Amino acid sequence: DAGVIQSPRHEVTEMGQEVTLRCKPISGHDYLFWYRQTMMRGLELLIYFNNNVPIDDSGMPEDRFSAKMPNASFSTLKIQPSEPRDSAVYFCASSARTSGNEQFFGPGTRLTVL
Amino acid sequence: KNQVEQSPQSLIILEGKNCTLQCNYTVSPFSNLRWYKQDTGRGPVSLTIMTFSENTKSNGRYTATLDADTKQSSLHITASQLSDSASYICVVSATRDSNYQLIWGAGTKLIIKP
Repeated sequence: DAGVIQSPRHEVTEMGQEVTLRCKPISGHDYLFWYRQTMMRGLELLIYFNNNVPIDDSGMPEDRFSAKMPNASFSTLKIQPSEPRDSAVYFCASSARTSGNEQFFGPGTRLTVL
Repeated sequence: KNQVEQSPQSLIILEGKNCTLQCNYTVSPFSNLRWYKQDTGRGPVSLTIMTFSENTKSNGRYTATLDADTKQSSLHITASQLSDSASYICVVSATRDSNYQLIWGAGTKLIIKP
């Protein structure tokens, strides 16, 4: 398996634009997580899915953020409209209950909002 | 409130020396504790997992300990190498029914100097 795949790896956009981040989890994993990481706040869980269903979205900062998982092999995190304070590295991770909940992380998307 | 605290926040040691990183937690109900290593520019990677009944577990030069009574864990690195320079994050899992919550520490930034 290629591991968790994220795209794009880097995104630079202007304030007010819509940003869509994409993630393909490891095949067979039933959990998918979206994280945001900054120097100031460290790693923050935004939302996670179990079997494509959102379980906990309490970490989503505000209504500008939304996440979907239309099927077991694809998820998106959308920011609309984007703001400079959204600049961060966004990680997607997946896990399987049968593996002790070890999370496997993707390479991340570095988002810069100007 | 479920919390995970790590110390020190950062640490600089010379190559070849040993070091110990600390993790204190107040998490209930406790399921397991993981140590992750995050290299700069990459997602975290699991080093080891500790369950309630385990006191010590080794992974090469990394040895993790768990004291479930005092709710403390440590990660000991022996004969450090330059490649050990990274952030080390302690994560505690609390499981309730079929869903679980991961509580992430802020991490310890370790720098190995030649």
